[in-house]
Amino acid sequence: NAGVTQTPKFQVLKTGQSMTLQCAQDMNHEYMSWYRQDPGMGLRLIHYSVGAGITDQGEVPNGYNVSRLKKQNFLLGLESAAPSQTSVYFCASSYRPESTDTQYFGPGTRLTVL
Amino acid sequence: GQNIDQPTEMTATEGAIVQINCTYQTSGFNGLFWYQQHAGEAPTFLSYNVLDGLEEKGRFSSFLSRSKGYSYLLLKELQMKDSASYLCAVLDSNYQLIWGAGTKLIIKP
Repeated sequence: NAGVTQTPKFQVLKTGQSMTLQCAQDMNHEYMSWYRQDPGMGLRLIHYSVGAGITDQGEVPNGYNVSRLKKQNFLLGLESAAPSQTSVYFCASSYRPESTDTQYFGPGTRLTVL
Repeated sequence: GQNIDQPTEMTATEGAIVQINCTYQTSGFNGLFWYQQHAGEAPTFLSYNVLDGLEEKGRFSSFLSRSKGYSYLLLKELQMKDSASYLCAVLDSNYQLIWGAGTKLIIKP
């Protein structure tokens, strides 16, 4: 099993450009989420999904959109990138959000917006 | 508001014991997690506590006091590979994880 995979690993954008971060998991997990991690701050939830076709906003959703057409894939879109979105983005999945099961994280995408 | 506090950085010696504290104020409580994150890598699960007391898992132990809003992670027989950040996270009443900023642990020979 590959676990949770993310593409790309690194990305540099110019202000105003758009892009999509991709996340895939092969563990048949229902719950998937996107976080951003900034220096000196905890992981912050951007959006999450409890199943295919179901998404909801997290703590910091502004400037991002998501799509989960298939159970195994969760996409994070930046419509018009801003320097404030420079961060490391992690995708995570788990069987159920209420579960004590561990969250499995992808390796991260390091995004720089110039 | 919801808040989780951890020390920013700690230093310890190889072979020693270190305790990393975490205090929290959240809307509801459905458990507390500890994750380990090596530099440039993803967080990985270490422990989960939902009842008061100590959970031991090899060299790592985690303690919880719900009445005090307090947890600690105890690492024994420190090894150089334990150099990492340790993240405390609380599952709130909406089953959302609230994360602390993490404690960077530096191990010296």
